[in-house]
Amino acid sequence: DTGVSQNPRHKITKRGQNVTFRCDPISEHNRLYWYRQTLGQGPEFLTYFQNEAQLEKSRLLSDRFSAERPKGSFSTLEIQRTEQGDSAMYLCASSNEKLFFGSGTQLSVL
Amino acid sequence: LAKTTQPISMDSYEGQEVNITCSHNNIATNDYITWYQQFPSQGPRFIIQGYKTKVTNEVASLFIPADRKSSTLSLPRVSLSDTAVYYCLVGDAGTASKLTFGTGTRLQVTL
Repeated sequence: DTGVSQNPRHKITKRGQNVTFRCDPISEHNRLYWYRQTLGQGPEFLTYFQNEAQLEKSRLLSDRFSAERPKGSFSTLEIQRTEQGDSAMYLCASSNEKLFFGSGTQLSVL
Repeated sequence: LAKTTQPISMDSYEGQEVNITCSHNNIATNDYITWYQQFPSQGPRFIIQGYKTKVTNEVASLFIPADRKSSTLSLPRVSLSDTAVYYCLVGDAGTASKLTFGTGTRLQVTL
C-alpha cells in the first residue's frame, strides 16, 4: 500500500499527558499537511510542510502543539498537556497537486 | 479566503443521479475546485478536480460555469455505498491554509 499511513489509529489518554502521532506520506510527495476534525465538522487546517520546512501554521495550532518533518519524509504531531478539547480526529495528507489523506488518528482525552 | 457554501444534507434513492452544488463567490484566479468524499472514521478521498467548464472521470462529473462562482458535482446512478459526506474545496494545494473544507454535504442514499 503506497497511500498515506498514520499511526496509531486510536489513542486514549488522560488529560495532561503528552501524545505523539506519526504520518508517513506518499513517498514522492514533498507537501505534507495536518488537519483536525471534530464530529460533524469538516477537517480544519493545522499546519503545512514543504519538504522539511514548516511553511504555514494555523492559529488553531496553540503552543501546546508542535509538528516536525525532520528529513522531509515522515512527520510527527505532538500535543503536550492534552486537554479534553483536543479530542478529535487528526488527519494527515500529502500532495502533489491533489490532497491524499490518511485514515487519521482518533484521539480521546479523558 | 474563498469560503464555500453547500447544502447540509441531501437524500436520494439508489439509481438516481445526484447533483450537489457548491457556491464560492470569492474564488481567486489561481484557485482550483476540488471535491472530496468522506466515510465515517476515514480520511477524505479525492473525487474530482476542475478549473472551468466540465470535467468527467470514472466516478463523477464536475460542472463549472464561466464565472466560476459555483460548481456542481454530479454523481450518476448512486448506490448505497455512495452514502457519505461530500466536501467542496476551493484553493491551491500550494497555499494550504486556503484549503478550507467547510461542513460538507451529507448524502444519504436509500433503496
